Amino acid sequence: QKEVEQDPGPLSVPEGAIVSLNCTYSNSAFQYFMWYRQYSRKGPELLMYTYSSGNKEDGRFTAQVDKSSKYISLFIRDSQPSDSATYLCAMNRDDKIIFGKGTRLHILP
Amino acid sequence: DAGITQSPRYKITETGRQVTLMCHQTWSHSYMFWYRQDLGHGLRLIYYSAAADITDKGEVPDGYVVSRSKTENFPLTLESATRSQTSVYFCASSGVRQLDYGYTFGSGTRLTVV
Repeated sequence: QKEVEQDPGPLSVPEGAIVSLNCTYSNSAFQYFMWYRQYSRKGPELLMYTYSSGNKEDGRFTAQVDKSSKYISLFIRDSQPSDSATYLCAMNRDDKIIFGKGTRLHILP
Repeated sequence: DAGITQSPRYKITETGRQVTLMCHQTWSHSYMFWYRQDLGHGLRLIYYSAAADITDKGEVPDGYVVSRSKTENFPLTLESATRSQTSVYFCASSGVRQLDYGYTFGSGTRLTVV
């Protein structure tokens, strides 16, 4: 079983919809949970991070961590075409960050 | 300009040639990383460095060499390029405080080995 599992998509949703992106993980030692966004032909950029369980909100984005289920989510409200990108979940282990393979998201105008 | 820069952006090389990818950061971050990104595999760590003159292997180090004589530079060398090393290579850096959650990535080098 891979440490971090993420559905590669692609996921296509109409503009204005709520988007839900998810990852599962197997290592209960993970403490920091991150979401990176990667536009085409660019490097990943940190979008949000959460320490331990719970929710964190930043504008239209909400990150959610459920450590009991080993499941993390990123919600995007009022999605915009500019949100079209690949979203990578990530978690830390031994001073290194382990990345999911990324989910490609297309927001349709 | 402040930030992390990679060069070249695109490179085509022949099998068996040595090629060096450059990475330069201006934040004086202690940690630097090299990843490769391939369809179906995501980001895989090649090598990382905790400080100047300290480097360590990641998940896929075979065929690669790194050095870090200065804090701001972390070049990656493919000693004898193979087709399987065709990939997009990303350099990243992090300060000690952000190490658990916050890497800053460069824009990548797209390498094709023919």
